[in-house]
Amino acid sequence: AQSVTQLDSHVSVSEGTPVLLRCNYSSSYSPSLFWYVQHPNKGLQLLLKYTSAATLVKGINGFEAEFKKSETSFHLTKPSAHMSDAAEYFCVVSDLTSGGSYIPTFGRGTSLIVHP
Amino acid sequence: GAVVSQHPSRVICKSGTSVKIECRSLDFQATTMFWYRQFPKQSLMLMATSNEGSKATYEQGVEKDKFLINHASLTLSTLTVTSAHPEDSSFYICSARTGTGFLAKNIQYFGAGTRLSVL
Repeated sequence: AQSVTQLDSHVSVSEGTPVLLRCNYSSSYSPSLFWYVQHPNKGLQLLLKYTSAATLVKGINGFEAEFKKSETSFHLTKPSAHMSDAAEYFCVVSDLTSGGSYIPTFGRGTSLIVHP
Repeated sequence: GAVVSQHPSRVICKSGTSVKIECRSLDFQATTMFWYRQFPKQSLMLMATSNEGSKATYEQGVEKDKFLINHASLTLSTLTVTSAHPEDSSFYICSARTGTGFLAKNIQYFGAGTRLSVL
């Protein structure tokens, strides 16, 4: 069985300071991991993905994440927050289920608040 | 890049009527489509997974007769909320994915969502 834990429901930062959104996962096999961003009343946009290649993954808008198998983590970071980064962020794990299909599992989401 | 179009973006209907939501992959073939429901300030709840040409697989607790899903082609899936009631009011989001088996680790492409309000 797979699961995702986003450790913080809310993260508040000042504009220009670093962002860290934490994600831990549990998976039986070799998972793919994703981060998505959702702005209010919008669909989800892919920020970045890990699929068994380089462990440090760079995404759009200056975000990056590092896959650490020993810690079962996939934390999302950005060196300097912008006001436009304020949104909901979802960590997703996708792996082979017992039924033989790939079903994604979403974390509960982390709301990023950026103060001027 | 891959684009998923979801229509309508917002719908308001009377209790007891049925509402159809369309999800189209515009520039790729979607072998698998997902339908999610999202409550305010919460994560996405998977309702069902559909593969083109076969019946949808519903998650536990989701009423099949209430939420009818059709995936008749590689570019179109529809969700019909039958006899809608106020408790069905929610934000519904579809996503599409290419590839089967090992290749199904491809990313999901999401629609913009549909805000359903049942009066």
